[in-house]
Amino acid sequence: DTAVSQTPKYLVTQMGNDKSIKCEQNLGHDTMYWYKQDSKKFLKIMFSYNNKELIINETVPNRFSPKSPDKAHLNLHINSLELGDSAVYFCASSQESRRETQYFGPGTRLLVL
Amino acid sequence: DAKTTQPTSMDCAEGRAANLPCNHSTISGNEYVYWYRQIHSQGPQYIIHGLKNNETNEMASLIITEDRKSSTLILPHATLRDTAVYYCIVRGNTGGFKTIFGAGTRLFVKA
Repeated sequence: DTAVSQTPKYLVTQMGNDKSIKCEQNLGHDTMYWYKQDSKKFLKIMFSYNNKELIINETVPNRFSPKSPDKAHLNLHINSLELGDSAVYFCASSQESRRETQYFGPGTRLLVL
Repeated sequence: DAKTTQPTSMDCAEGRAANLPCNHSTISGNEYVYWYRQIHSQGPQYIIHGLKNNETNEMASLIITEDRKSSTLILPHATLRDTAVYYCIVRGNTGGFKTIFGAGTRLFVKA
């Protein structure tokens, strides 16, 4: 009964490729997020989506685009991958009214060669 | 959002209380104190949050000083599974918030 799931768990790809990471939550939450954890282990929010509306974009390059087909899914598309995109990407969800309590997925480890 | 300062690492004996401090001297009146932890290779896990009063739940207790410039997360009976990085975050609870997890405190619980 995984609350927030992400696929794939590991992703190794070449520079310049386009890739997607999928996220699904079965908690009935109305807000979902994407975070990036870099090599120094700092975890920084990238996006949040509430009712299919982007409400935060933390100066992320436009090569990154979140796509939400429905309330339970928030996928992350990355175009023209660069070496610096290598990181662990976490998806999370919460209720809009309780943003302080976010449930995180297991993470996707992206390595760009 | 206010900046927080935490020790880099701490040790704790299994079964003893783990007290993790956090300084947030620039906290503003509408900002909450949140604690998350991240066990190795897993996503962060919400622990507890508070505004002014001390809080307790099934995982931990949160003690906030009267001037709100610092707080302490208490794990009353630490187990080996509590070994993790603990993040103290201060932020407002209204729309457009930003969440940045800093370096946190790496807690080692030893048998």
